Amino acid sequence: GQQVMQIPQYQHVQEGEDFTTYCNSSTTLSNIQWYKQRPGGHPVFLIQLVKSGEVKKQKRLTFQFGEAKKNSSLHITATQTTDVGTYFCGYGGSQGNLIFGKGTKLSVKP
Amino acid sequence: DAGITQSPRHKVTETGTPVTLRCHQTENHRYMYWYRQDPGHGLRLIHYSYGVKDTDKGEVSDGYSVSRSKTEDFLLTLESATSSQTSVYFCAIRGSSALGTDTQYFGPGTRLTVL
Repeated sequence: GQQVMQIPQYQHVQEGEDFTTYCNSSTTLSNIQWYKQRPGGHPVFLIQLVKSGEVKKQKRLTFQFGEAKKNSSLHITATQTTDVGTYFCGYGGSQGNLIFGKGTKLSVKP
Repeated sequence: DAGITQSPRHKVTETGTPVTLRCHQTENHRYMYWYRQDPGHGLRLIHYSYGVKDTDKGEVSDGYSVSRSKTEDFLLTLESATSSQTSVYFCAIRGSSALGTDTQYFGPGTRLTVL
């Protein structure tokens, strides 16, 4: 089925550095969602983007949806140790489920 | 998180034994889902339900069955567990976020090990 590719798979940063993860699709997406999963935890919804070129911010997190609605990014400014976890993008499947990328695992060194 | 619980939270079993995982929700959501999470594969849909006794297959349904006799409970059964079914299993419901968007809320997960 249709896939979304997430890069990078892993990212190690020093606390205070910025972090970006990218989600790419070969086809146009109607919407994209972002989730965060802390180590040992479950995925937690962060945001949904629907409109072409949409940009949304949540404190230090900035989410973008590309003009062609084929890619999206999540940028974290000045990472903190509380940002550690795996970030997933996903889009709505035909069964009302989500089809997820494989995630980007972020580690932050204090 | 949306009143979703899963039981058991951890289970170790042997190859060939049947295993049933339970997902319970308290908020009367119609849609419920079972995903498995494996390193390198992310989250993949096993089965889903769109109402009592209404279920359908997902991407990785082989070796799994489900039942939903009540709105609040969605059961996932491994008829004869295999080592390839060692995974973390997440139940999810489809709901609305505080922002009003259609989203999924996940349960805490069940870590299953098949020896």
